[in-house]
Amino acid sequence: NAGVTQTPKFRVLKTGQSMTLLCAQDMNHEYMYWYRQDPGMGLRLIHYSVGEGTTAKGEVPDGYNVSRLKKQNFLLGLESAAPSQTSVYFCASSKGGPNTEAFFGQGTRLTVV
Amino acid sequence: DAKTTQPTSMDCAEGRAANLPCNHSTISGNEYVYWYRQIHSQGPQYIIHGLKNNETNEMASLIITEDRKSSTLILPHATLRDTAVYYCIVEYSGGGADGLTFGKGTHLIIQP
Repeated sequence: NAGVTQTPKFRVLKTGQSMTLLCAQDMNHEYMYWYRQDPGMGLRLIHYSVGEGTTAKGEVPDGYNVSRLKKQNFLLGLESAAPSQTSVYFCASSKGGPNTEAFFGQGTRLTVV
Repeated sequence: DAKTTQPTSMDCAEGRAANLPCNHSTISGNEYVYWYRQIHSQGPQYIIHGLKNNETNEMASLIITEDRKSSTLILPHATLRDTAVYYCIVEYSGGGADGLTFGKGTHLIIQP
């Protein structure tokens, strides 16, 4: 029972490079989310999706793009990485609606030099 | 801004009950109180949630005051593995469209 799986777990990028983070869930959840967490801070929502083919902006969307072509996958893209995007990225999923909880992946630690 | 107020840190002796308070004085009638924890930069882990009644599961108990303006998460027999940051979150849906609004949480340290 994998739950929410993120790849890769670690990555170092040079400024200006691009990359895609992959999130996969096997719980048939409608909603998926991307968060970032900086040192000493709580998680902040980057983008989210309420179903296949849909995406929406969260609290800190600038510099990121997302896609949800398949229900089980949610991709986070950095087109031109900047040092300010050095962070730990968490993906989550949920059934949506009231009285439900979210399930999180183990995170991707990204360093932009 | 987070809708909750939690102490920055707390200590608890191993084997004792850990009681983590949370104030949420502006909670709306249809909002739930959720608790998550994050162990050493791992992904947050769901613990428990409730609307107005007290709740218990295999991990913890949640006590919500009658006016719903505060709550307490209780870990009945804390172990060293319970050392983590605990987040109290007030949301209509724990997995709704707006996601979860995380504050800085309470860093609980279990002392041997």
